[in-house]
Amino acid sequence: AQSVAQPEDQVNVAEGNPLTVKCTYSVSGNPYLFWYVQYPNRGLQFLLKYITGDNLVKGSYGFEAEFNKSQTSFHLKKPSALVSDSALYFCAVRVRSNDYKLSFGAGTTVTVRA
Amino acid sequence: DAGVIQSPRHEVTEMGQEVTLRCKPISGHNSLFWYRQTMMRGLELLIYFNNNVPIDDSGMPEDRFSAKMPNASFSTLKIQPSEPRDSAVYFCASSLGRGTNEQYFGPGTRLTVT
Repeated sequence: AQSVAQPEDQVNVAEGNPLTVKCTYSVSGNPYLFWYVQYPNRGLQFLLKYITGDNLVKGSYGFEAEFNKSQTSFHLKKPSALVSDSALYFCAVRVRSNDYKLSFGAGTTVTVRA
Repeated sequence: DAGVIQSPRHEVTEMGQEVTLRCKPISGHNSLFWYRQTMMRGLELLIYFNNNVPIDDSGMPEDRFSAKMPNASFSTLKIQPSEPRDSAVYFCASSLGRGTNEQYFGPGTRLTVT
């Protein structure tokens, strides 16, 4: 069964420092991977996705993620975090043979302190 | 585009009452998803539709829950009778096509059943 794991419930960083949010996946085939962000009292917003091709994917708000097939990981990164990046981040995976369903991780709460 | 529209944004009801949540997907999107988010269980997919047809309702918790999509621009999620354990935030999301495309989430309906 397709699944993702986000090993950290919380990540705390200082503004201006690099931010990394970890995600590992488990699927039987090649995965389609997504990152979403949720601000308080809002719906999830799409950040970026990996489908195929270049392992480094760039997305919204200066975020990027690196697909690593050997480590089955898809970590989200931002070189210089902002206070406004404080939110709940979700990793999700979709397997090609199961085109519609997304399996979401439990989420990682990011807090960026000024 | 106005994005995915959900109504009401907040709903407070008493146990045993019928609750109807509404969703208008993004125009042109042909897949629609209903999710439920709670602290205990995270984000759960309840049901999804493709071209107005229910494809997978395996996430619907029990017979008290039902969903319809009478046309491409409207869907409802109904709970009858409601119970306190149904209290959660319910999200509707839509996407275009299948596989590689991301889902766009509505702002959610916060349901409280007393």
